[in-house]
Amino acid sequence: EVQLVESGGGLVQPGRSLKLSCAASGFTFSNYGMHWIRQAPTKGLEWVASISPSGGSTYYRDSVKGRFTISRDNAKSTLYLQMDSLRSEDTATYYCATDIKQPFAYWGQGTLVTVSS
Amino acid sequence: DVVLTQTPVSLLISLGGQASISCRSSQSLVHSNGNTYLHWYLQKPGQSPQLLIYQVSNRFSGIPDRFSGSGSGTDFTLKISRVEPEDLGVYYCLQRTHNPLTFGSGTKLEIK
Repeated sequence: EVQLVESGGGLVQPGRSLKLSCAASGFTFSNYGMHWIRQAPTKGLEWVASISPSGGSTYYRDSVKGRFTISRDNAKSTLYLQMDSLRSEDTATYYCATDIKQPFAYWGQGTLVTVSS
Repeated sequence: DVVLTQTPVSLLISLGGQASISCRSSQSLVHSNGNTYLHWYLQKPGQSPQLLIYQVSNRFSGIPDRFSGSGSGTDFTLKISRVEPEDLGVYYCLQRTHNPLTFGSGTKLEIK
């Protein structure tokens, strides 16, 4: 059974950093692209970043470029999102998702990041 | 960026009724390879989104045939027939033809 479990969320002050993790199981992690998608409270879904199966290619939405870094450790079947210089508008539930068989076919349960002083 | 406009914003449907959700794109979603990467998701209350329909009209595994997708170019529709209580939630369309990929703003389905 495919499982994605996010962790690392919490309350952080503006300008500080946080690193999210997504532990994957139930599939061959190194074969699939991985993604971070976020949802601000009571708002819709917003794609944040993606990474290729090998980790050699990464993609970001403009508003997080230069502040967020997506990475993966295929040996540990874990996806990461390093978030630096956090802003209040980054407050959201962050989901990891994968494209096994079809686009964003599997999602984690999400981890809440709150950026506030 | 491609803007996906979903209408209506909300729907109130009786059990057993039919719902129709529109997703209109600011530009054609036909990829240079000929495929159209327009997908539909449902986010039930308190849950993560789940894939319903991929590439316009293909139901994901386990999705009942009450759900159907159609459309082409810039105009797409999700239809839900014989609405059941578990269909309530927010429906989103997503395009992955152009970068950055973008979601529609969502349509909330409520059951009468």
